[in-house]
Amino acid sequence: GAVVSQHPSWVICKSGTSVKIECRSLDFQATTMFWYRQFPKKSLMLMATSNEGSKATYEQGVEKDKFLINHASLTLSTLTVTSAHPEDSSFYICSAWTGGWETQYFGPGTRLLVL
Amino acid sequence: GQNIDQPTEMTATEGAIVQINCTYQTSGFNGLFWYQQHAGEAPTFLSYNVLDGLEEKGRFSSFLSRSKGYSYLLLKELQMKDSASYLCAVRDQGNTDKLIFGTGTRLQVFP
Repeated sequence: GAVVSQHPSWVICKSGTSVKIECRSLDFQATTMFWYRQFPKKSLMLMATSNEGSKATYEQGVEKDKFLINHASLTLSTLTVTSAHPEDSSFYICSAWTGGWETQYFGPGTRLLVL
Repeated sequence: GQNIDQPTEMTATEGAIVQINCTYQTSGFNGLFWYQQHAGEAPTFLSYNVLDGLEEKGRFSSFLSRSKGYSYLLLKELQMKDSASYLCAVRDQGNTDKLIFGTGTRLQVFP
């Protein structure tokens, strides 16, 4: 149990285009979903926290207009990177949390390359 | 500010024991997690400590001292597949379960 999927796993796009990444909890309902980005050989940096049906809470320094988060249901959250630029190239990982003491369950990640 | 430190890299030999340390200074504390992450993959949960002391889970153990802001992950009987990054993460206080990740430790196990 506790499986989180992400789609796509890999995406290459041109500078200026928008990219949508989906995060789904497959066998449980998640109170909260989190979005992280990770640069090579670096740790995870939290971008935003999202709860179903409400606006996401963004971490300091993360542009909410550039990284749009929609949490449509208890099993689906999406991250849209708008007008992507090469510096947005990174590994984006989502996680889902059911609440209480439980750990967050991480998706397999999406590798974004902006040319 | 929030600060979680780990050694950047460690090496060890197959069959040996290795201890990965994590020190933290955070504004709140509601538990400490250890995750394993292989290159290009998502982190997987290893252990969780919220009270002081040692938690043992097979070949992996984790220790916490809240007064010292210190934790370690102990890996016994190392195997080649244990070569990975190990991430220490502190759960912020409150009910949002925000995790603050440490810098991560890349462990390389040699035959």
